[in-house]
Amino acid sequence: QQQVKQSPQSLIVQKGGIPIINCAYENTAFDYFPWYQQFPGKGPALLIAIRPDVSEKKEGRFTISFNKSAKQFSLHIMDSQPGDSATYFCAASWASNTGKLIFGQGTTLQVKP
Amino acid sequence: EAGVAQSPRYKIIEKRQSVAFWCNPISGHATLYWYQQILGQGPKLLIQFQNNGVVDDSQLPKDRFSAERLKGVDSTLKIQPAKLEDSAVYLCASSDGRGAAFFGQGTRLTVV
Repeated sequence: QQQVKQSPQSLIVQKGGIPIINCAYENTAFDYFPWYQQFPGKGPALLIAIRPDVSEKKEGRFTISFNKSAKQFSLHIMDSQPGDSATYFCAASWASNTGKLIFGQGTTLQVKP
Repeated sequence: EAGVAQSPRYKIIEKRQSVAFWCNPISGHATLYWYQQILGQGPKLLIQFQNNGVVDDSQLPKDRFSAERLKGVDSTLKIQPAKLEDSAVYLCASSDGRGAAFFGQGTRLTVV
């Protein structure tokens, strides 16, 4: 019940494309859903986060869509660039303890020039 | 502001040896976390500290892993004795309790 399932495992898009990464959770007690970006040799860095009282959040080229009834959320990267090539992790947590994260398995994104 | 500092960056040890990792969180962050990230997987929480007290260590293999956070600032994670399956990146993160957690660069441990 604590799992977060993420797909796809890997993704290749052309520059300018819109990669979409999907996540699903089971525990309805989760109320904080961040996305982290990780480059090789670096720690995860927060990209964007959403709480279940909204269905969509945009920050720059990154958008989270949230479907509370389906217990699913997704990350869209608009106008993707080669510099966006990294591993992306969705996570679920609690607003009262945002660092106690249940991570998905990760998606390795490659954006071709 | 300075980020979460971890050392060493890399460590190679033989199985059954001991190893320790150090973390200095962002100044003022009361909450500190240690995560284990096995290659190709998402990070998994090992232990959470609030100031110098343990909040959650339910995922910590206590027969071989230990952690402490003296004076509520720096923290040390120790493995003794190490097993081959402990090969992973050990990540430290900190939070002020209101916002997101910030991660350090991690320590890559290889057990041979």
